[in-house]
Amino acid sequence: GAGVSQSPRYKVAKRGQDVALRCDPISGHVSLFWYQQALGQGPEFLTYFQNEAQLDKSGLPSDRFFAERPEGSVSTLKIQRTQQEDSAVYLCASSLRGRSYEQYFGPGTRLTVT
Amino acid sequence: GQQLNQSPQSMFIQEGEDVSMNCTSSSIFNTWLWYKQDPGEGPVLLIALYKAGELTSNGRLTAQFGITRKDSFLNISASIPSDVGIYFCAGPRGGATNKLIFGTGTLLAVQP
Repeated sequence: GAGVSQSPRYKVAKRGQDVALRCDPISGHVSLFWYQQALGQGPEFLTYFQNEAQLDKSGLPSDRFFAERPEGSVSTLKIQRTQQEDSAVYLCASSLRGRSYEQYFGPGTRLTVT
Repeated sequence: GQQLNQSPQSMFIQEGEDVSMNCTSSSIFNTWLWYKQDPGEGPVLLIALYKAGELTSNGRLTAQFGITRKDSFLNISASIPSDVGIYFCAGPRGGATNKLIFGTGTLLAVQP
């Protein structure tokens, strides 16, 4: 079946611009996660949804970061007034409720802020 | 906070060799996961471990959940060129949350 998809795969933004990153989870997966991966490091948790409810946003680095999943399926991560330190790969993962630790990742969106 | 340390940091081996890598934590984990990440792609789940002492295989890969619950091991037998990539261990960050903390990664290079 289809895996997690993300778009765009690459995004270049000028400092100060707003960006929106999209995630389509695996069909039927109720849990959705966003992670940020800096070059040469492992992914770092940003936020977590169960269906449309955002249950944990403790990893969001600032109030410029905002995520939503209004219908419990597709999710969007928005970054306002991008800064150079926001440059990273943004990964989306989804999982079934009962096995939420087994998270399946999309290919990521590589964001470069110039 | 919790940290997962992986060793070795990198490995350069010949095709056909066996590989061993490990992941250690200062805290107890109730679940261990092993992922592989290829360049430009997201991590791919290889093996999930749920019980101390558990040994689980997936093809040529075998992972073990350490008895102390503070470590895990991944072995790859008879390595092939497509095993190249970065291997990450991961575990739940603690409490009732489902978010994962990832290790520092082990880079594997296989020479044909």
